[in-house]
Amino acid sequence: DQQVKQNSPSLSVQEGRISILNCDYTNSMFDYFLWYKKYPAEGPTFLISISSIKDKNEDGRFTVFLNKSAKHLSLHIVPSQPGDSAVYFCAATTGANSKLTFGKGITLSVRP
Amino acid sequence: KAGVTQTPRYLIKTRGQQVTLSCSPISGHRSVSWYQQTPGQGLQFLFEYFSETQRNKGNFPGRFSGRQFSNSRSEMNVSTLELGDSALYLCASSLQPGQDNEKLFFGSGTQLSVL
Repeated sequence: DQQVKQNSPSLSVQEGRISILNCDYTNSMFDYFLWYKKYPAEGPTFLISISSIKDKNEDGRFTVFLNKSAKHLSLHIVPSQPGDSAVYFCAATTGANSKLTFGKGITLSVRP
Repeated sequence: KAGVTQTPRYLIKTRGQQVTLSCSPISGHRSVSWYQQTPGQGLQFLFEYFSETQRNKGNFPGRFSGRQFSNSRSEMNVSTLELGDSALYLCASSLQPGQDNEKLFFGSGTQLSVL
């Protein structure tokens, strides 16, 4: 049972345009959400997070939106850069729990 | 400050064998978690250790086990290897468990291939 779903395995966008990566979850107990970025041959690195008490969190070119009623979150990257090409994982957790439940990831390709 | 170090980087084993993977957390970090990454399943939580005690365990068979030493270094063991155990095994460390998940730092992983 996949509690965190990233239904699109890949996304390709033009440099300078917006990248929108989507994530859905089924467990209503999740109250903290994170995005990780992973380059080949490296471990995932933290990108941005959002608590369930918020509906938006912004950090530079990266913004995460949370729609609790739809159990949906999205990561917006504006403007997209070639260096953003990587696999992006959505993750969720409950309370002060270190265990993260990850989605399967989406491969983002930013074309120059 | 050195990052999370995992050894070995690559490993090839045959079915039925056992394997031990090692993880050295960032200096000062006392919590270590293990994840399995496969193309079809993404990252799946294996277990978490803090102060030499297993705090949390994922939904994996008993063939998967781990431990943490007094210096916070951790090892995970997989016995009676199966083809489906082929995966990238990632270790992550943090100062303490349950706080600031973004402070979870991952190593580069051990790529295990079971033939």
